[in-house]
Amino acid sequence: SAVISQKPSRDICQRGTSLTIQCQVDSQVTMMFWYRQQPGQSLTLIATANQGSEATYESGFVIDKFPISRPNLTFSTLTVSNMSPEDSSIYLCSAELAGADTQYFGPGTRLTVL
Amino acid sequence: GENVEQHPSTLSVQEGDSAVIKCTYSDSASNYFPWYKQELGKGPQLIIDIRSNVGEKKDQRIAVTLNKTAKHFSLHITETQPEDSAVYFCAATRAFGNEKLTFGTGTRLTIIP
Repeated sequence: SAVISQKPSRDICQRGTSLTIQCQVDSQVTMMFWYRQQPGQSLTLIATANQGSEATYESGFVIDKFPISRPNLTFSTLTVSNMSPEDSSIYLCSAELAGADTQYFGPGTRLTVL
Repeated sequence: GENVEQHPSTLSVQEGDSAVIKCTYSDSASNYFPWYKQELGKGPQLIIDIRSNVGEKKDQRIAVTLNKTAKHFSLHITETQPEDSAVYFCAATRAFGNEKLTFGTGTRLTIIP
């Protein structure tokens, strides 16, 4: 298995500001992903974080709103830009370990936008 | 793309009884099916998974069965305990194909003491 940490664990932000969420994995990984989970809902994939290149976004998510970086194999950031109350959600990162196809999740970042 | 349906959405079970959660998938090429448990305020935790080359897998009180022909798989929890109360998600994907996980809608399981 893998230990995945996220920072911050929660935040309350003002409308129009941006927040960057960090994700760190303690093992060698191949794939890293970012999800959004709205209250009481399932997980929705935002994008696949690619090392050294632009992330691959899912339908409905764009780079200008959710810029993602992955400077090395075990670290990624997701920025939620120009936030509105509709962005209030839990943001989760996940990772697949090298040589495996199992995804492990971080504890999540609980974002509230006022 | 893949579509995963999950039932029931909520399930209440007496402590000590068994719980069963069912999922169906649409993509016959999917071959990897993990189950996640999410407790309040935490991220999803992988509890068991199954690949398409086996029909059943068991880990202590938890088991998963897979019917490839019918394209459905189920989670079975026996001798339920209060700490089993959580939201459970099934998922499906093509392993090693750089395909994303497609999640079910979740089942909120409540164990009644």
